[in-house]
Amino acid sequence: DSGVTQTPKHLITATGQRVTLRCSPRSGDLSVYWYQQSLDQGLQFLIQYYNGEERAKGNILERFSAQQFPDLHSELNLSSLELGDSALYFCASSALDSNSPLHFGNGTRLTVT
Amino acid sequence: AQSVTQPDIHITVSEGASLELRCNYSYGATPYLFWYVQSPGQGLQLLLKYFSGDTLVQGIKGFEAEFKRSQSSFNLRKPSVHWSDAAEYFCAVGASGGFKTIFGAGTRLFVKA
Repeated sequence: DSGVTQTPKHLITATGQRVTLRCSPRSGDLSVYWYQQSLDQGLQFLIQYYNGEERAKGNILERFSAQQFPDLHSELNLSSLELGDSALYFCASSALDSNSPLHFGNGTRLTVT
Repeated sequence: AQSVTQPDIHITVSEGASLELRCNYSYGATPYLFWYVQSPGQGLQLLLKYFSGDTLVQGIKGFEAEFKRSQSSFNLRKPSVHWSDAAEYFCAVGASGGFKTIFGAGTRLFVKA
């Protein structure tokens, strides 16, 4: 058990809809990362927050946004969903920055129909 | 820019045989290197990490990896593979002082009896 909790485990929704994915980091970790994993793109870094502030951005679409709250949990919001957004979305946490190993949750599988 | 290459998309080995998974990285300074394993339906789990010092690092589950600066490689090895090692393996690099970890495309390991 990594200590990182992601909800929900599965999500099925229609194109054009909006969803929110939730992540609770491992106790004591200040950094939260979001990754998207799909068959054709592999594991893509989306965004990182550190202690409530955005720290790094990767290949995150403008339709996607994230935030980290004072209690350090994070939410990833995906809007105007398209079929191509179907993927596994992972949250990971670490103590500091990328020098520290990442602890991954089990992911949220998003299916857009 | 930092990058990670895993040349083998998939590898099949017999149970009890030795294993080597290749990883090459590109980074200007001394990188922070990681190997992660992902079992089906699970998040990624850290196997081992290299920051500095001894270039041969030991990890969990009997895995080891060797950092070779001259070859920009960080290959993962295991002397005797077990059927439970069948999974996908990701090499990753983090930048000192940076905020995102870059993952390779992964190598899927199949173990035959």
